[in-house]
Amino acid sequence: DAKTTQPNSMESNEEEPVHLPCNHSTISGTDYIHWYRQLPSQGPEYVIHGLTSNVNNRMASLAIAEDRKSSTLILHRATLRDAAVYYCILRARSNVENNDMRFGAGTRLTVKP
Amino acid sequence: DAGVTQSPTHLIKTRGQQVTLRCSPKSGHDTVSWYQQALGQGPQFIFQYYEEEERQRGNFPDRFSGHQFPNYSSELNVNALLLGDSALYLCASSAILGTQYFGPGTRLTVL
Repeated sequence: DAKTTQPNSMESNEEEPVHLPCNHSTISGTDYIHWYRQLPSQGPEYVIHGLTSNVNNRMASLAIAEDRKSSTLILHRATLRDAAVYYCILRARSNVENNDMRFGAGTRLTVKP
Repeated sequence: DAGVTQSPTHLIKTRGQQVTLRCSPKSGHDTVSWYQQALGQGPQFIFQYYEEEERQRGNFPDRFSGHQFPNYSSELNVNALLLGDSALYLCASSAILGTQYFGPGTRLTVL
């Protein structure tokens, strides 16, 4: 019952920017948009999250549509180490009883040298 | 600062047996969530523990149970193992309502 839609796979060339899209048309006002990535044989790694405004950190940028029904994770210069499955997740953070994260299938990013 | 740790790394059991997996949260975190990840799929939420109580639960049968200790570490117990329980079991810790950080997982194989 994932509430987000992502492409199954994407390809990028090394050192080029990558834009990973996510649709979440049923997002509620208390849902934060989280992105995690999972490298082979590892647990998911936190990338970034946001609520309404665009966010930047050392790993990536998150662009959130004005109506919040979609978002885009931006990797500014893809490296081979960025090859992973990227998950876009909605998470309510308003109360103890309802803040779990529901993962979908994610987008498998392949980075070509 | 150690991150989230899980033990054991790998485990092989037979159908009908019981298994206990362990998780130590990141320093300063008081909440532990458990996930099951089947091969080729995204992680599925099992349950979350906070203040030594189960606060939320995903769509998993009662064979899956857990516990949180006063030091915030946690255990996941699975009884009457089925072949379909073979998966990577992930633990994530956070401050309550905070960002979750995942451990490396325990790979469970049920024969």
